[in-house]
Amino acid sequence: AQSVTQLDSQVPVFEEAPVELRCNYSSSVSVYLFWYVQYPNQGLQLLLKYLSGSTLVKGINGFEAEFNKSQTSFHLRKPSVHISDTAEYFCAVSLKAAGNKLTFGGGTRVLVKP
Amino acid sequence: GAVVSQHPSWVICKSGTSVKIECRSLDFQATTMFWYRQFPKQSLMLMATSNEGSKATYEQGVEKDKFLINHASLTLSTLTVTSAHPEDSSFYICSARERVDGDSPLHFGNGTRLTVT
Repeated sequence: AQSVTQLDSQVPVFEEAPVELRCNYSSSVSVYLFWYVQYPNQGLQLLLKYLSGSTLVKGINGFEAEFNKSQTSFHLRKPSVHISDTAEYFCAVSLKAAGNKLTFGGGTRVLVKP
Repeated sequence: GAVVSQHPSWVICKSGTSVKIECRSLDFQATTMFWYRQFPKQSLMLMATSNEGSKATYEQGVEKDKFLINHASLTLSTLTVTSAHPEDSSFYICSARERVDGDSPLHFGNGTRLTVT
């Protein structure tokens, strides 16, 4: 079975500063990787995903993530955050097989301070 | 883009009553829908996978008789919390997949906050 670990439960960051959210996964087979954002009392919105190909993936709202197979990591970065980036961020994996479900990490709460 | 509508967005019910939550795919047909539960400040835990026209597959530890799932059409899945108790209070989120392949994107509803008094 696959699992996802988000190493930081909360990350405070000043506005316009860079941020990195760490995600490590474990799986005995190949996986797809995702980052989602959740605003208060809302569902999840897909930021970006890695399916195959280039290991550097660019997503919405200026976010990007890099897949590192040897380190089994998929860290999320943004060079300059805004107040509106304050939210909960979830890393997730799914197996490369038909119809498979997502397994989520514990989440990282990003608090952007002015 | 694909939209998943979840209704109601919040509900308060008395202990012992049942509550139905609807999840609709508005502009696509969803062969598979997933139901998640999220406790405050925690991650999403998959409860069950709902496939149109067949019985739902429940995750270990989830009571199928308490959380009834019906996926009657390609655009609608419902979750009924039967005989609700305060410990069932949580945020329930559904998601829908357009196709059966693993890289087909999941679209999430906005969630339903259930409070059982």
